[in-house]
Amino acid sequence: AQSVAQPEDQVNVAEGNPLTVKCTYSVSGNPYLFWYVQYPNRGLQFLLKYITGDNLVKGSYGFEAEFNKSQTSFHLKKPSALVSDSALYFCAVRDTGKLIFGTGTRLQVFP
Amino acid sequence: DAGITQSPRHKVTETGTPVTLRCHQTENHRYMYWYRQDPGHGLRLIHYSYGVKDTDKGEVSDGYSVSRSKTEDFLLTLESATSSQTSVYFCATTRGSYEQYFGPGTRLTVT
Repeated sequence: AQSVAQPEDQVNVAEGNPLTVKCTYSVSGNPYLFWYVQYPNRGLQFLLKYITGDNLVKGSYGFEAEFNKSQTSFHLKKPSALVSDSALYFCAVRDTGKLIFGTGTRLQVFP
Repeated sequence: DAGITQSPRHKVTETGTPVTLRCHQTENHRYMYWYRQDPGHGLRLIHYSYGVKDTDKGEVSDGYSVSRSKTEDFLLTLESATSSQTSVYFCATTRGSYEQYFGPGTRLTVT
């Protein structure tokens, strides 16, 4: 079965510093991978996806993600964090007809 | 949230009562999904639909049923609510290359 793991419950970073939110995956076949963000009391918002092609994927709000097949990872990154990036982030992998989500990582950006 | 509404947005009910949550979409998408979100568990799929009257179970389907009599509406029913079903429920649709888009959520409390 397809699965993703987010090893960190929380990531803390100072505003202006680079941020990384980690995700590893386990799939049979080629992975279709996604990142979502959830702001307080809101639904999830799609950030970016990897289907095929370049290993560095660019998405919304200045976020990008690096697909690494040898390490089975799909880490979310941003060169310079903003306080407004503080939110809950979910990694997901496609399974037949549906998505399987990780447990989420809370990102806290301090001024 | 674009094109997806959920009703009610908040509900408090008593143990043993039936509850129906409604998801409505305006963009004629074939696939629709119901998830529950709980701390430490991320999003877990309850049921999904791949067309009118076509539904399938997700990983946490016990105690839930669904119906889809028309493309735009996907109903989730808790046949006899229990306290363990206190959660936030999200509906989603699929568009584009498999990414999902989410409604605003329904906060359900079972007392």
